[in-house]
Amino acid sequence: DAMVIQNPRYQVTQFGKPVTLSCSQTLNHNVMYWYQQKSSQAPKLLFHYYDKDFNNEADTPDNFQSRRPNTSFCFLDIRSPGLGDAAMYLCATSRVLDGHEQYFGPGTRLTVT
Amino acid sequence: AQSVTQPDIHITVSEGASLELRCNYSYGATPYLFWYVQSPGQGLQLLLKYFSGDTLVQGIKGFEAEFKRSQSSFNLRKPSVHWSDAAEFFCAVGANNAGNMLTFGGGTRLMVKP
Repeated sequence: DAMVIQNPRYQVTQFGKPVTLSCSQTLNHNVMYWYQQKSSQAPKLLFHYYDKDFNNEADTPDNFQSRRPNTSFCFLDIRSPGLGDAAMYLCATSRVLDGHEQYFGPGTRLTVT
Repeated sequence: AQSVTQPDIHITVSEGASLELRCNYSYGATPYLFWYVQSPGQGLQLLLKYFSGDTLVQGIKGFEAEFKRSQSSFNLRKPSVHWSDAAEFFCAVGANNAGNMLTFGGGTRLMVKP
């Protein structure tokens, strides 16, 4: 089945230690998104890629970076995680960059110690 | 700019009872509307969507939603709730504009009593 895969499902990192979260998709979608979701809140969009074009949300901290080496893979890098960065990180894809539905991965739960 | 309001943060229903989750949106034209469900520790799964046409849409797991333009609403319903329906439900709105992102409501947490 075509799908969005996130690895790892659970990640523990230390305060200030860089961490990378991974997302891959077999849907061949043009757009990939990264969201941050804290407990009992709606997902918050961090940035998205439309093909190789990167778009950062205005309020996304500089501490968060992303890479998309090819259509299938997208990475979220947190350069110096703080305790406030502990959250669920969701990757999503969509076929085109408009208001159509997005397909979500299962998420990576990040804990910062 | 579009916005979505889910007035109910928590809802508790008994198993077998009917369910309605409210969603109100603000957008100048006809929006694309979605309901997603999220089980604990999981990603979001699309339940149903409305783009155009019949205003009553059927989704997975026995859910349906009705688009009411006059009320700017897209409420989610299920005639008989099962214990496995307990989850967080998110309403979202999009639009047919390039570069338009989905806007999510704050979510409604559904608990099901045995």
